Amino acid sequence: GENVEQHPSTLSVQEGDSAVIKCTYSDSASNYFPWYKQELGKRPQLIIDIRSNVGEKKDQRIAVTLNKTAKHFSLHITETQPEDSAVYFCAARTGNQFYFGTGTSLTVIP
Amino acid sequence: DTEVTQTPKHLVMGMTNKKSLKCEQHMGHRAMYWYKQKAKKPPELMFVYSYEKLSINESVPSRFSPECPNSSLLNLHLHALQPEDSALYLCASSQQGLRGNEQFFGPGTRLTVL
Repeated sequence: GENVEQHPSTLSVQEGDSAVIKCTYSDSASNYFPWYKQELGKRPQLIIDIRSNVGEKKDQRIAVTLNKTAKHFSLHITETQPEDSAVYFCAARTGNQFYFGTGTSLTVIP
Repeated sequence: DTEVTQTPKHLVMGMTNKKSLKCEQHMGHRAMYWYKQKAKKPPELMFVYSYEKLSINESVPSRFSPECPNSSLLNLHLHALQPEDSALYLCASSQQGLRGNEQFFGPGTRLTVL
């Protein structure tokens, strides 16, 4: 089955700096790659996603890149703000199944 | 309606109790999921229903019993749980298979087993 690895597990950045989180996957059949932000006690919230036929997608301060050949995808957050502090999960979808990375705890220091 | 709802929001139960978690969606999604999540860990897949039939059971103990009465509803029946089963239980739904579409999460049920 699919195996998704995510790094780093924790990340601290100064407010205004950029943050990058990286994920790799193993199954070439995976075709959809969402990123979730989860605040304490709340549901995972989709912040951006990318399909396998696209290399890059941007939404304001958030961008995702996908390298299908290397089987890795990354989340980029620019101009970070304290409210960006949360746990971020990447995922890969194969068929009906979503495989999650282990999560990155992001802290933005004011 | 682009929402998945779950009840109850919080549940405290003893190890001998029987309770049920409920999930509902009206987006026409035919894939529905139950996940268990511990703090700061990724959601852990328990069950997947596809067209109201159980398609994936990730070796979940029999004290958890899922049910899909119709295409909009998903239940999780709980019996004789252990304290280690305390977690956030998330329901989710998505469109079927190869179209690679978004998964919508409900707000979750925070379960505490005493």
